[in-house]
Amino acid sequence: NAGVMQNPRHLVRRRGQEARLRCSPMKGHSHVYWYRQLPEEGLKFMVYLQKENIIDESGMPKERFSAEFPKEGPSILRIQQVVRGDSAAYFCASSPPDRFYGYTFGSGTRLTVV
Amino acid sequence: QQQVKQSPQSLIVQKGGISIINCAYENTAFDYFPWYQQFPGKGPALLIAIRPDVSEKKEGRFTISFNKSAKQFSLHIMDSQPGDSATYFCAARGSGDKLTFGTGTRLAVRP
Repeated sequence: NAGVMQNPRHLVRRRGQEARLRCSPMKGHSHVYWYRQLPEEGLKFMVYLQKENIIDESGMPKERFSAEFPKEGPSILRIQQVVRGDSAAYFCASSPPDRFYGYTFGSGTRLTVV
Repeated sequence: QQQVKQSPQSLIVQKGGISIINCAYENTAFDYFPWYQQFPGKGPALLIAIRPDVSEKKEGRFTISFNKSAKQFSLHIMDSQPGDSATYFCAARGSGDKLTFGTGTRLAVRP
């Protein structure tokens, strides 16, 4: 039973390019969450999705950032026109509908903007 | 109101000692409190979790103590080992299903 799969593990983008981060949740998990972690800092919530629905995007910047979780395929976090300040580790987590079941995190995508 | 405050920021413990990390919250709607362990370059991994109707939960060397009236909870690591050296995050889950994380505690266990 594979865990939460994120790819790529490392991503380097030049300023102004687009970054696409992918996340395949654990089998049986219908809830996906994206978090951002800056070096030496905690995990900041970005967005919570269920299949074909954005449930809570209160932590996601209004501009340049978007997320989706289509009916088929992985969840995608998309960052357009990246800037140096977007450099961080982006973690995806998934959980089943049971709200008293903890998240399972992926290994993260480390984005570096040069 | 959505904040979870965690302390200390860093902690050094001798092998065999007890590591204690504390968290406090304001939002009384929080009803699920997990702890996560993160090693460098890895994603956080669920360690142990508690619900507010229980005052203590123990799994192996890890114990959560929960004080509902004080809105505080803590992680105790008994017989701490060098392999426990990692960053620990407390978290809380409210009605919106998302987890709010503390700022993390970097634990170093000296041999």
